[in-house]
Amino acid sequence: SQQGEEDPQALSIQEGENATMNCSYKTSINNLQWYRQNSGRGLVHLILIRSNEREKHSGRLRVTLDTSKKSSSLLITASRAADTASYFCATDEGSYIPTFGRGTSLIVHP
Amino acid sequence: DGGITQSPKYLFRKEGQNVTLSCEQNLNHDAMYWYRQDPGQGLRLIYYSQIVNDFQKGDIAEGYSVSREKKESFPLTVTSAQKNPTAFYLCASSIRGQPQHFGDGTRLSIL
Repeated sequence: SQQGEEDPQALSIQEGENATMNCSYKTSINNLQWYRQNSGRGLVHLILIRSNEREKHSGRLRVTLDTSKKSSSLLITASRAADTASYFCATDEGSYIPTFGRGTSLIVHP
Repeated sequence: DGGITQSPKYLFRKEGQNVTLSCEQNLNHDAMYWYRQDPGQGLRLIYYSQIVNDFQKGDIAEGYSVSREKKESFPLTVTSAQKNPTAFYLCASSIRGQPQHFGDGTRLSIL
């Protein structure tokens, strides 16, 4: 089954810097979702972007989608130590069953 | 407070033993899912159910079984046929086509 692939696998930044992580996928999608997972916890939904949308914002989060390149990016602005977590993209090809990537591990140093 | 509750948080399995992981939701969601998470592997779908009394195999169903007798409950049994069961198991629920809500997982280890 299709799987989004996040890049980079790991990212380490200082508090206040921006963090950008990318997701690439292989076939056409209905929507793409980003989730966050704190260590030892379940995933929490952040943003859903539909295939006919190019950009969405939520607080310090900005998600873009380029369907021609089959890629999405998640930007976290002015990162905080509390943003330390793993971030996953999930693609829905129309089956309503999202397929998750392997995630980007983000560490924000205070 | 609406949400998904997984229990227990930690579980240990002996050789040849079946163990059952509990997942309960009070979000009135029709769809429920079980995922397995191994380090560096992301989430892999074990089983999903889109309606009561019906469920479908995911990508890695071998060695696992489920039931969906009630809308609120979707227990997962890890059978003795699953030779490498050590992992973090996540349950999720959703309205069809909407983002998933996750429980806080059960960590299963072998004794």
